[in-house]
Amino acid sequence: GAVVSQHPSRVICKSGTSVKIECRSLDFQATTMFWYRQFPKQSLMLMATSNEGSKATYEQGVEKDKFLINHASLTLSTLTVTSAHPEDSSFYICSARTSGGEQYFGPGTRLTVT
Amino acid sequence: GDSVTQMEGPVTLSEEAFLTINCTYTATGYPSLFWYVQYPGEGLQLLLKATKADDKGSNKGFEATYRKETTSFHLEKGSVQVSDSAVYFCALKGISSGSARQLTFGSGTQLTVLP
Repeated sequence: GAVVSQHPSRVICKSGTSVKIECRSLDFQATTMFWYRQFPKQSLMLMATSNEGSKATYEQGVEKDKFLINHASLTLSTLTVTSAHPEDSSFYICSARTSGGEQYFGPGTRLTVT
Repeated sequence: GDSVTQMEGPVTLSEEAFLTINCTYTATGYPSLFWYVQYPGEGLQLLLKATKADDKGSNKGFEATYRKETTSFHLEKGSVQVSDSAVYFCALKGISSGSARQLTFGSGTQLTVLP
């Protein structure tokens, strides 16, 4: 099946710094990518939907200036957490959708802000 | 809005035991329903799906039937194996989200199968 990678898998950063997470579709082109956030023992919560070459669509309550999403190519989307704070610590998961509508998920990135 | 309520875990079973993980949903119309599995250190993988009422999705010995009357999509397996240990997510894709048609997930159920 199709493979989606995320990098890094784990990151620890200091409060106030910015962190970039990459999501790549390795063997297919993804016109649409999704970013989710997962708290311990909770659902995956959709943060935003990004389409290649256009601005991301953010879900209600998600700060677009804090969570910057760039989808510059059909195989790469990035999520940048700006001025991170401890409450941003979470598990971030990306997903890429094929032209046929199938959705594939990355392995996730564990962010810890100290 | 759409929502998915999933049986809380963790669930611990002995090998060859019968598995049921309950999932109910709230949605407008007839959503598509999914079960995803997440093995340790890996991404979510689609396990099975059903797109209309009374459809049965099946894969790797797992089954789930789309029950419109009870708004349920319970996951079952007759005989679990140690290799089935993972987190299982129930999800739906609604019909009212325009072109995005995002997935809505349950909270996930951790399954541990002991030898």
